[in-house]
Amino acid sequence: DVKVTQSSRYLVKRTGEKVFLECVQDMDHENMFWYRQDPGLGLRLIYFSYDVKMKEKGDIPEGYSVSREKKERFSLILESASTNQTSMYLCASSLEELGGTREDEQFFGPGTRLTVL
Amino acid sequence: KNQVEQSPQSLIILEGKNCTLQCNYTVSPFSNLRWYKQDTGRGPVSLTIMTFSENTKSNGRYTATLDADTKQSSLHITASQLSDSASYICVVTATSGTYKYIFGTGTRLKVLA
Repeated sequence: DVKVTQSSRYLVKRTGEKVFLECVQDMDHENMFWYRQDPGLGLRLIYFSYDVKMKEKGDIPEGYSVSREKKERFSLILESASTNQTSMYLCASSLEELGGTREDEQFFGPGTRLTVL
Repeated sequence: KNQVEQSPQSLIILEGKNCTLQCNYTVSPFSNLRWYKQDTGRGPVSLTIMTFSENTKSNGRYTATLDADTKQSSLHITASQLSDSASYICVVTATSGTYKYIFGTGTRLKVLA
């Protein structure tokens, strides 16, 4: 089974702190994604990566950056945390985007609930 | 604009009853449509997948249907159990665009004993 792990389930940080959220997948997937999930808004894509050292902006990249130095690890960085970044953060991975096949299924981690005070 | 809309936003039913969740989408062209189940405080887990040529797919007590002409999908849950209490998210995979996963906002289901 695919396993996607995230470094923390719960995190509390103060405004202005630099925050690192780590995600690791163990199935050699090419694609990795970071989403945030807020009530009534569903999942919104922050950044995604389709290869090592490659990244693409999603719908809401402002205030975030990412790093993918190794294929299995994708990090989300909040350079200076703000209260409006309090949210549930979900990491996902997928094999490759072949469209019309099951290989594009996204596998999600358990999520990190971040609170910024 | 590619969009996925789900209804109702929330639903409460008694254990043992059936229910149907709706998903309408404007994504075109698309390659597949998935339903995910998300337990509280957990990441989503895939329940079913249908390509544009499939009409129905079952996974135990969960049955998904797809009408590609009207761009509608439904998820039917039979003989609900307390463990079905979760959010159900419809995701449509587009075949074009920079990134392809279009998420609905989900339906929150509560099953009461």
